[in-house]
Amino acid sequence: DADVTQTPRNRITKTGKRIMLECSQTKGHDRMYWYRQDPGLGLRLIYYSFDVKDINKGEISDGYSVSRQAQAKFSLSLESAIPNQTALYFCATSATSGGGETQYFGPGTRLLVL
Amino acid sequence: GESVGLHLPTLSVQEGDNSIINCAYSNSASDYFIWYKQESGKGPQFIIDIRSNMDKRQGQRVTVLLNKTVKHLSLQIAATQPGDSAVYFCAENLYGNNRLAFGKGNQVVVIP
Repeated sequence: DADVTQTPRNRITKTGKRIMLECSQTKGHDRMYWYRQDPGLGLRLIYYSFDVKDINKGEISDGYSVSRQAQAKFSLSLESAIPNQTALYFCATSATSGGGETQYFGPGTRLLVL
Repeated sequence: GESVGLHLPTLSVQEGDNSIINCAYSNSASDYFIWYKQESGKGPQFIIDIRSNMDKRQGQRVTVLLNKTVKHLSLQIAATQPGDSAVYFCAENLYGNNRLAFGKGNQVVVIP
């Protein structure tokens, strides 16, 4: 069973539509992250949450919002989708410690904005 | 499959040979580093990690070397297999609070 799941796995939408991508984890981790990946580029952080009451912007948060509904759930919304938001979106989780910890990724959501 | 590997540096290696993938990191204060493997259509998968108080760490068929003097990280894969074909990228704990910064990646192609 996958520890980090994402739904949907694929989504096609039109410009201006609002969509939500969902992430669930069974790892018991407090920290969750949303990234986007574009061809030939590294992963870029959109938002991250270190616990249920903590939400932080990443490097490319404009046009996105998030909700941490529970320790195990972290959703990403595109309020009004635009074509340059076409990308692969990944959710990740990590444990909390004083130093760096491995981030574990979900399988990704492929989003196409027409 | 997705085009994650588009325009990435590519390493072609014969099956059975050793592979070395290199990564330059940006912050001399980074204290934690990870190597990930990403196969087509999948999310990044943890391979091995190393903390800054070490210069070498070994796993199963993989070794990570850390050279803090020149801010360089490498991943060595022994006896490369077709299943090792993927994009490999490094990450550093750049901000000290587990906000990782990721490299763009290297495409490894294993030739049978």
